[in-house]
Amino acid sequence: NAGVTQTPKFRILKIGQSMTLQCAQDMNHNYMYWYRQDPGMGLKLIYYSVGAGITDKGEVPNGYNVSRSTTEDFPLRLELAAPSQTSVYFCASSYSGRKNTEAFFGQGTRLTVV
Amino acid sequence: AQTVTQSQPEMSVQEAETVTLSCTYDTSESDYYLFWYKQPPSRQMILVIRQEAYKQQNATENRFSVNFQKAAKSFSLKISDSQLGDAAMYFCAYRSARAAGNKLTFGGGTRVLVKP
Repeated sequence: NAGVTQTPKFRILKIGQSMTLQCAQDMNHNYMYWYRQDPGMGLKLIYYSVGAGITDKGEVPNGYNVSRSTTEDFPLRLELAAPSQTSVYFCASSYSGRKNTEAFFGQGTRLTVV
Repeated sequence: AQTVTQSQPEMSVQEAETVTLSCTYDTSESDYYLFWYKQPPSRQMILVIRQEAYKQQNATENRFSVNFQKAAKSFSLKISDSQLGDAAMYFCAYRSARAAGNKLTFGGGTRVLVKP
């Protein structure tokens, strides 16, 4: 099983450029998430989705957009990149339900905005 | 909103010794889950151990154990017989049992250094 796959692994963007971070999971999980991790900090939730067609904001959504057209995919769109968006981005997924719903993480995308 | 605090930015331990990482959290809920994640230099987030708030018994996974004090809102991680492979960032995380989406709230992390 591939689990959660993120692409690309690294990217350098210029200020004002846009890009999409791709995330796919093959575990048939209903729930998917995008987190960002600034240097020396913990992860903060950007957006999450509880199923295809349903998304909601997390703690730090400004400057980002998401969509969820299928169960498997949950892309994150950055519009007009800013240096403050330099970070490592993690996609994660989990089963719905209350118990034993471990979150599985992708390997992260290191994004630098210059 | 819930908050998770890890007050130790870095901890150092001798190989084969024991180290304890601290975590406190703030919540008004009574039903929730707590987790410790390990992040090695590869960046991969690895679940180390989980604790359900309604269980009084502290969780244990091999060399990893927790001390869960619900009234004090404290959730420390003990790593016994430390190994070189334990060197990593460790994050404490909280998840509500009732809020939609099973979202995790993370602490700021503690870096563990293991000396040979």
